[in-house]
Amino acid sequence: DTGVSQNPRHKITKRGQNVTFRCDPISEHNRLYWYRQTLGQGPEFLTYFQNEAQLEKSRLLSDRFSAERPKGSFSTLEIQRTEQGDSAMYLCASSFIGGPQETQYFGPGTRLLVL
Amino acid sequence: QKEVEQNSGPLSVPEGAIASLNCTYSDRGSQSFFWYRQYSGKSPELIMFIYSNGDKEDGRFTAQLNKASQYVSLLIRDSQPSDSATYLCAVNMFDSGGSNYKLTFGKGTLLTVNP
Repeated sequence: DTGVSQNPRHKITKRGQNVTFRCDPISEHNRLYWYRQTLGQGPEFLTYFQNEAQLEKSRLLSDRFSAERPKGSFSTLEIQRTEQGDSAMYLCASSFIGGPQETQYFGPGTRLLVL
Repeated sequence: QKEVEQNSGPLSVPEGAIASLNCTYSDRGSQSFFWYRQYSGKSPELIMFIYSNGDKEDGRFTAQLNKASQYVSLLIRDSQPSDSATYLCAVNMFDSGGSNYKLTFGKGTLLTVNP
């Protein structure tokens, strides 16, 4: 069990540029979540997938954000036309099955800085 | 709005003391509850989960759940400086569609254990 992996671990970009992050979940996990975390705050839900289906997107997720999980394995999160307010840690988590006793495991995160 | 509330702290305790971290949640139908530890600059790490009313012990950690009061707590006995971190309470609640469970996080409590 290699755990959840995320790439890149750090990204510095200029305002207006597009960025894409990748998450590889724990194998056999069928759910994958994306969160955003800023300093002093808990993880803020962005979106989640069950297999390849995107089940929910947060109202906080503007149309500049898009996520995919095309084959039900890895996922990508793209931010278009980045803004300084997008600077945050982007966390991915995965879990097996759904239901009230589901347990999520986090990857190391991707830290984004928009200049 | 489904919420998870935690005191932001910081909570400061001397080494060897008991640290008590508290969390309340708004969704009476919630069935599973988690405590994550997050060191500065790192991603959250699962340390405890609890599903039933009462206490659950794991080493120096005890989780306590009272569903009637919608309250969950984490006790850390014999606190060590290495326990200094932010502790996140997370609760599985139905998502906005009402058909799937989704983890909702509190903002976390910063714990400092002083040598």
